[in-house]
Amino acid sequence: RKEVEQDPGPFNVPEGATVAFNCTYSNSASQSFFWYRQDCRKEPKLLMSVYSSGNEDGRFTAQLNRASQYISLLIRDSKLSDSATYLCVVTNQAGTALIFGKGTTLSVSS
Amino acid sequence: GAGVSQSPSNKVTEKGKDVELRCDPISGHTALYWYRQSLGQGLEFLIYFQGNSAPDKSGLPSDRFSAERTGGSVSTLTIQRTQQEDSAVYLCASSLNFGVGYTFGSGTRLTVV
Repeated sequence: RKEVEQDPGPFNVPEGATVAFNCTYSNSASQSFFWYRQDCRKEPKLLMSVYSSGNEDGRFTAQLNRASQYISLLIRDSKLSDSATYLCVVTNQAGTALIFGKGTTLSVSS
Repeated sequence: GAGVSQSPSNKVTEKGKDVELRCDPISGHTALYWYRQSLGQGLEFLIYFQGNSAPDKSGLPSDRFSAERTGGSVSTLTIQRTQQEDSAVYLCASSLNFGVGYTFGSGTRLTVV
């Protein structure tokens, strides 16, 4: 089983749509969780941390289910500028680095 | 500096040559990481430096890869006897401490011909 698994997509949605991405991870000892965003040929940028109680940042909502080792990201009212690859990220076995999923590609069209 | 700085931004080298990639982290960030991203692939962890502790080299793919971090700041990733499969974007990131999100540099795109 891969350390972090994501549906690669692409997800093609119209502006204003709500879209959800899911991610599963294999290391039950992981302590920190994040979503990163990567635009084409650019470096990844931190979108938001993910907390056990769930957290929201504007149009973005992240959820964590430790028992199922499952992380989600919900984007409401999609904008054209949301088009990017979204990377699910967890801490590694040793707790010394972040392990990145391969990402889910989102394309928002007008 | 304001962000993580990497140089060069692009490097084309002949197979068998050695290359050095440089990373200048955000001032005050004690943790520094190297990753690489091959075309269409996810980020692959290479090495992690934290303060004066021994680095975590568990991600280095072979003994041709090595990295140093001098004075707790600038880091150099060296690839000896480059191979075509080494072609990738090499990304450096730093963070104030482990467990918080990283800030990435814009990467070095390495092409081995």
